[in-house]
Order: sequence, then C-alpha cells, then structure tokens
Amino acid sequence: QKEVEQNSGPLSVPEGAIASLNCTYSDRGSQSFFWYRQYSGKSPELIMFIYSNGDKEDGRFTAQLNKASQYVSLLIRDSQPSDSATYLCAVYSGGYQKVTFGTGTKLQVIP
Amino acid sequence: DGGITQSPKYLFRKEGQNVTLSCEQNLNHDAMYWYRQDPGQGLRLIYYSQIVNDFQKGDIAEGYSVSREKKESFPLTVTSAQKNPTAFYLCASSINIRTGGGYNEQFFGPGTRLTVL
Repeated sequence: QKEVEQNSGPLSVPEGAIASLNCTYSDRGSQSFFWYRQYSGKSPELIMFIYSNGDKEDGRFTAQLNKASQYVSLLIRDSQPSDSATYLCAVYSGGYQKVTFGTGTKLQVIP
Repeated sequence: DGGITQSPKYLFRKEGQNVTLSCEQNLNHDAMYWYRQDPGQGLRLIYYSQIVNDFQKGDIAEGYSVSREKKESFPLTVTSAQKNPTAFYLCASSINIRTGGGYNEQFFGPGTRLTVL
C-alpha cells in the first residue's frame, strides 16, 4: 500500500510569518508531487506541483522536494488569513498508477 | 471557459434508492476520476477512466457504478448496495499521460454533497 503521510494539524501561524507544511511518501518510484489547497466545503485547488529535486517557487509559495529522504514540503511566505485552509499533498508514481492523496494539514493564519 | 462541472450541488437519497451524479469537462482531458471525501479524511478513489469506453475500479468501488460513453462525461451512480453513501463526491480530470504528456496533475470539479435521508 503506497502511503502519503501528513500531520493533520492544525498548524497555527501569525499573519506575515512563514508556514511550513510537510509530507512524506512511501513509494521510492514516485515521479511527481502536488499540493492542493481546500477551503472548508469546497473542492481541492491545485497550487503547486514539482517533479525534480530542489525548490520550485511560485509567488509566495515554494515547493521543496527531496527524493532521497522521500519528503516534500510547501512553504508559504507572508502568510495571510486567506491562506487558512487544508493543504493536501498528492503523489503520482507514473504510468497508469493512480495519484495517492494524504489526509491533509489544516493551516490557521492568525491575524 | 474551460473547466469541470458537477451536478447537482446537493443531493438527497432515500434508503434503497439509486442516484446518479453528473460530471462534465470541456478541458479535452482523456482521464477522469471519481473520489469520495468524508469529514476530516483524505480523498479515496472510487473509479477512474483513462479513455472512452474503459474504466477501472479504485479503492472503494463497491456499491458504485460508472460509464464513459463520451470523452466529456463520466457519471457516477450510487446504488442501494452502498450502505453509507453520505459524503462529498469529487470528480477530477487530467491529461492522459500516455498521449498528452504532463505529470498527471488533476483538476477538480466543485463537488456534490450527498446525504442519505
């Protein structure tokens, strides 16, 4: 069983701080990694994906991937109250494999 | 506007009744998926389809059925055999990795919330 593990939180950070969300995965053959944001009662929205070791930046968001440690993270700089949501990590192992989702980390940004 | 639509937004089912959830996409994606999400839990895959007229069971297919007669449409039927169907149902689509490249990033519709009365 391929697994994706996330701390359920809640992770509370003050407005303007950096929020760090972490995810580990079990399948060493995993090829691409996704971060989705899900507001309460809404569907997931893709915010970042990464497939190479290192960092990928998009605005206030940075995804970090370390395949040797089987670890992927999402950094949110200058956190805003509107960033308060559940963040889902998802992993794709290639070919006709399915995408496996973690259970999500709830982020609370305190004004 | 390209996107994925799901209907209805809210659905109520009586005991013993079959109901069908609609999912349509105009993104020209080959692959489509159905997930179920229960409160405080992650997404669980029900069924997926890589191409028209072909689909595979996911992790929790019992009590559900699907069809894929058109590229744009992937309806899900929740049958009376599904004993605990109350959940948030999400449809997603992605480019077929065999024909369209990409990294299998999936895009979601707005969801259907099903409640058993």
